[in-house]
Amino acid sequence: GAGVSQTPSNKVTEKGKYVELRCDPISGHTALYWYRQSLGQGPEFLIYFQGTGAADDSGLPNDRFFAVRPEGSVSTLKIQRTERGDSAVYLCASSLGHEQFFGPGTRLTVL
Amino acid sequence: TQLLEQSPQFLSIQEGENLTVYCNSSSVFSSLQWYRQEPGEGPVLLVTVVTGGEVKKLKRLTFQFGDARKDSSLHITAAQTGDTGLYLCAGAMAGNTGKLIFGQGTTLQVKP
Repeated sequence: GAGVSQTPSNKVTEKGKYVELRCDPISGHTALYWYRQSLGQGPEFLIYFQGTGAADDSGLPNDRFFAVRPEGSVSTLKIQRTERGDSAVYLCASSLGHEQFFGPGTRLTVL
Repeated sequence: TQLLEQSPQFLSIQEGENLTVYCNSSSVFSSLQWYRQEPGEGPVLLVTVVTGGEVKKLKRLTFQFGDARKDSSLHITAAQTGDTGLYLCAGAMAGNTGKLIFGQGTTLQVKP
């Protein structure tokens, strides 16, 4: 079956612009996670959804970051007024039990 | 402050050598996972350890969870070039619903 997919694979934007990153989880997986990975670092937790609701958004760095999962499947991570420091690979993962299955990530570059 | 300290950050060895990667914390974890990540891909789970003192083997890889569930190690015997990649440890806090705390990662290069 299909794994976790993320689009776009690469996104280049200018400072101050708005971006949306999409995650399609594995079908039937109720939990969905967003992480951010900077170069040379491990992934950093951003937000976790159980179904449609955000069960833990403690990792979102500030109010420029927002994520939704309106139907309990696809999720969108939204970043307003992007800054150069937002440049990173944004990883999405989904799970049914304890094992998280990761997508390939979206590489975001803010110029 | 890094909750999970992983060492070494970089390791370059010859094929056939043994190596150990360490993951240390002052915090107790309900479980600890080891992942491997290839360039341009997401991390892939290798193993989960749950019980203090637990040892798990996956072919030439041996994983150990510390007795106090604060640290873990990954030992690779007779490394092969195919073992090259980024190895990540990740801990789940007790009572947490799945959020993982990752270490900085160890980049392993195995030369032929």
